[in-house]
Amino acid sequence: TQLLEQSPQFLSIQEGENLTVYCNSSSVFSSLQWYRQEPGEGPVLLVTVVTGGEVKKLKRLTFQFGDARKDSSLHITAAQPGDTGLYLCAGARSNTGKLIFGQGTTLQVKP
Amino acid sequence: ETGVTQTPRHLVMGMTNKKSLKCEQHLGHNAMYWYKQSAKKPLELMFVYSLEERVENNSVPSRFSPECPNSSHLFLHLHTLQPEDSALYLCASSQPTGPGANVLTFGAGSRLTVL
Repeated sequence: TQLLEQSPQFLSIQEGENLTVYCNSSSVFSSLQWYRQEPGEGPVLLVTVVTGGEVKKLKRLTFQFGDARKDSSLHITAAQPGDTGLYLCAGARSNTGKLIFGQGTTLQVKP
Repeated sequence: ETGVTQTPRHLVMGMTNKKSLKCEQHLGHNAMYWYKQSAKKPLELMFVYSLEERVENNSVPSRFSPECPNSSHLFLHLHTLQPEDSALYLCASSQPTGPGANVLTFGAGSRLTVL
């Protein structure tokens, strides 16, 4: 069974702080995605990374794919209350839409 | 509005009831998915339809019965459910093949409570 372990599972921080969420596996993935899910909504895709060592930035969010394509991280700089939500990583081993999801990291950013 | 619409958003049913969840997408996608989301657990892939043909059934109990009448619509028929089936059921769609197959657009989900 392929597993994606996310850490931490829960994070509560003050506005303005920085944070990093990790997504680790013993399996190699062809691509890895990060989604954000807000209460009462479905997950929304933030980014897809496909190349080992790739770094992508989305405003204050920085995503990195590990060199061996087994792990990824999401770094948020100067977190805002609007960043609050459930962050999910999902790995793919082929172009079939069959994604393996991590259990998620719940982020709470307090004003 | 994500382009994937799920109804109903909330459903409460008894263990002997029969109900259905509906999903509709107008994104031109040809693959549709049902996922189950339970608290503190990873999203569980239940069913995959590609070009209206079921291509994945992840050992889902027969009390869950999917139906895909066309590429825009997906149903999940529910009967004689158990309380542990209470969860958020998410529908998603994507292109059937290629890199776009892994770019899922999710609906807002149907929150199911089984009494």
